[in-house]
Amino acid sequence: SQQGEEDPQALSIQEGENATMNCSYKTSINNLQWYRQNSGRGLVHLILIRSNEREKHSGRLRVTLDTSKKSSSLLITASRAADTASYFCATDDVFGPGTRLSVLP
Amino acid sequence: NAGVTQTPKFRVLKTGQSMTLLCAQDMNHEYMYWYRQDPGMGLRLIHYSVGEGTTAKGEVPDGYNVSRLKKQNFLLGLESAAPSQTSVYFCASSYLGQGAGQPQHFGDGTRLSIL
Repeated sequence: SQQGEEDPQALSIQEGENATMNCSYKTSINNLQWYRQNSGRGLVHLILIRSNEREKHSGRLRVTLDTSKKSSSLLITASRAADTASYFCATDDVFGPGTRLSVLP
Repeated sequence: NAGVTQTPKFRVLKTGQSMTLLCAQDMNHEYMYWYRQDPGMGLRLIHYSVGEGTTAKGEVPDGYNVSRLKKQNFLLGLESAAPSQTSVYFCASSYLGQGAGQPQHFGDGTRLSIL
């Protein structure tokens, strides 16, 4: 069973645009984490947001959490070609299927 | 400081053969995990360990065994490989579980093909 489900499955944007990915989950959580996976590599932790937080920023990343809707979003601003990767949300030790982001130069 | 190291990086097996995947971490982490990643499925937890000498089943444990004899190593074994076990296997470690707000650190994966 998957706790987190990302949406969309794939996203293609132009360099400089913003990218928004969403994650929905099913049960109550203590925190939610976002990871990035470059092709052929392992996952890399990006940011954690706790259940009592509504928004968190890290550089060009902005994460929101709505516990009433059991959803989170990851916004990448001013995207770069190097942001091309798959992005996963995770609650406890359960990962969603991911969003494949392609940033076109 | 290598982080999480997985060996081998690639392997091809025939149905029925056995093999062991090795994961080593140098961060003194208590928790270690084995996942498999299949197209469109995301990561699925096979087995995990919350400390030296402990192991527990994850979401998809059938056909796999694990051992954590040393804190820094977590071994994943396939006793009799089947084509359905063709996948990319990832090992991860963390100081505590993600429920406690601890991020996982991942290796770069082992690409395993079963013919």
